[in-house]
Amino acid sequence: GAVVSQHPSWVICKSGTSVKIECRSLDFQATTMFWYRQFPKQSLMLMATSNEGSKATYEQGVEKDKFLINHASLTLSTLTVTSAHPEDSSFYICSARGLPGQDNEKLFFGSGTQLSVL
Amino acid sequence: AQSVTQPDIHITVSEGASLELRCNYSYGATPYLFWYVQSPGQGLQLLLKYFSGDTLVQGIKGFEAEFKRSQSSFNLRKPSVHWSDAAEYFCAVGAGGNFGNEKLTFGTGTRLTIIP
Repeated sequence: GAVVSQHPSWVICKSGTSVKIECRSLDFQATTMFWYRQFPKQSLMLMATSNEGSKATYEQGVEKDKFLINHASLTLSTLTVTSAHPEDSSFYICSARGLPGQDNEKLFFGSGTQLSVL
Repeated sequence: AQSVTQPDIHITVSEGASLELRCNYSYGATPYLFWYVQSPGQGLQLLLKYFSGDTLVQGIKGFEAEFKRSQSSFNLRKPSVHWSDAAEYFCAVGAGGNFGNEKLTFGTGTRLTIIP
């Protein structure tokens, strides 16, 4: 089945630094990728929708300058948390949707990234 | 706005016993409904989905779910659980896109523990 690889799975960083999280579709092309954030004991919350070759669409309340999303190819989207602060500590998870006609009805999720900001 | 409620944070079931995980949703139109399972250190895996038609849907791993519009529910069931079913289960409602998976709203999840 389709696989989405997310890297790193776990990262600790100092406050003020930037962290990049990668989301790759390994055996299919994904025109659309989604980024979610999950705080402990809470739901996964959609942060943004990333379409290959265009600017990401952010959900209300998500700072686009803080959470930079790049979707430069059909197999890779990146989320960069800029100037991270302790309140950004969370579990970040991506999902990818295949091209129309290629499992477009399915979302494939990465295994998530646990970010801890000291 | 759409929302999903999973009232049970944690459920413990004996191996071989039946299981029902509850999910209630709020959505203005006919919903697209999903159940996902997440094992430790792994991504979410789709168990089953409801778009339209038969309100009882069959999924992978022996799971099924029933859509009840009158109760705004989409409960997940399994007649006999296995130790490998221990995981976190998420119910989600979707909107947009061809298959309602443009924007998913997730519940808070239910952690399932299986005891021998």
